[in-house]
Amino acid sequence: KAGVTQTPRYLIKTRGQQVTLSCSPISGHRSVSWYQQTPGQGLQFLFEYFSETQRNKGNFPGRFSGRQFSNSRSEMNVSTLELGDSALYLCASSSKIRSGQYPNTEAFFGQGTRLTVV
Amino acid sequence: DQQVKQNSPSLSVQEGRISILNCDYTNSMFDYFLWYKKYPAEGPTFLISISSIKDKNEDGRFTVFLNKSAKHLSLHIVPSQPGDSAVYFCAAIRDDKIIFGKGTRLHILP
Repeated sequence: KAGVTQTPRYLIKTRGQQVTLSCSPISGHRSVSWYQQTPGQGLQFLFEYFSETQRNKGNFPGRFSGRQFSNSRSEMNVSTLELGDSALYLCASSSKIRSGQYPNTEAFFGQGTRLTVV
Repeated sequence: DQQVKQNSPSLSVQEGRISILNCDYTNSMFDYFLWYKKYPAEGPTFLISISSIKDKNEDGRFTVFLNKSAKHLSLHIVPSQPGDSAVYFCAAIRDDKIIFGKGTRLHILP
């Protein structure tokens, strides 16, 4: 079974530009979550999509957005990039069931996209 | 406000000894806790979890203990092996939201 695939692996952008990151979940997984990892803040939850709908959202500004397609693939977009957006962006997929039931809460992560804003 | 705290940024343990990684949380409504392990240049991988209704879960060399009254979680690795050197993240779930700690870097010394 193929794992979670994130593209591109590395990206360099300049301030003010926008960027789109892609995540292909494990086949059959309908939940895709995005996280930002920085040395100072650790791992922070951005948002989660399930069946093309955003189900949860972390505390990030509106410049961070995402979407999920009918094949469960997800994209994350960051507009008007700032230097502080430099981070490792991780995507995780799971076959998570709705609130109250956690038989599959373990999410499988991709290798991440390393974004550097200069 | 950090709801999940891993107060030790790093920890060094001799190979063969016990590694104990700690995690504190502030919200008593969390109902599920997980530990993830992360190697450099790779995404985190799930290690072990525990429901809030339990106080211990064991899987091979890994045991997670939950002390709800103290709002404290710990991961024990026995015996520690060189391949255990990684960053370990504690995470808590409530209402379908997952919150991670900042991680603890574990160094296993030869």
